[in-house]
Amino acid sequence: EIVLTQSPGTLSLSPGERATLSCRASQSISSRYLAWYQQKPGQAPRLLIYGASSRATGIPDRFSGSGSETDFSLTISRLEPEDFAVYYCQQYIRSPRTFGQGTKVEIK
Amino acid sequence: EVQLVDSGGGLVQPGGSLRLSCAASGFTFNTYWMAWVRQVPGKGLEWVANINQDGSEKYYVDSVKGRLTISRDNAKNSLYLQMNSLRVDDTAVYYCARDPERLPFDYWGQGTLVTVSS
Repeated sequence: EIVLTQSPGTLSLSPGERATLSCRASQSISSRYLAWYQQKPGQAPRLLIYGASSRATGIPDRFSGSGSETDFSLTISRLEPEDFAVYYCQQYIRSPRTFGQGTKVEIK
Repeated sequence: EVQLVDSGGGLVQPGGSLRLSCAASGFTFNTYWMAWVRQVPGKGLEWVANINQDGSEKYYVDSVKGRLTISRDNAKNSLYLQMNSLRVDDTAVYYCARDPERLPFDYWGQGTLVTVSS
């Protein structure tokens, strides 16, 4: 099973600031099989990024993803009030598909 | 517009059974793999099971093998999760999700809460 480790656990930032979230895999998953999701309280996860760097339909360009092999990151260039949420990375190269434990982006 | 509507959750005693449903619309259901993903309240996400387009292939996370069964009815555009021998640690919100091949889960239901407690 591929283990994904996200850091930090919590990121405290102000609106307008830049957020950088990290996801590290226990083995290589190339750059094609890493996704990022956003989840707000009481809601289902929403797909943001797939293939490590491709934005899903309707996702604003302030969200960007990068990385390959075992190290990946999600960057939110300027935080909007609606971006404060929990973010999960996920690998889909191998079953079982696994998720990271999440990073909470909270208002400072 | 793609829509997935989950239903069937509730309170059940340990050892009991429950059947979850997911009604799909807005896409050609029988051309997609589908999946169930669960989330213990306040915790992370865990893939539970998935099923191919005609139901001939099914895969499960080890912790539910032999107890939970995924199925689908393409004529009704519906996905199901039959849950037997439920345990306290099966308590979670269960989401159905569309599972495109070689892509991540791109659409999710709103989730249905299953609580296993005496």
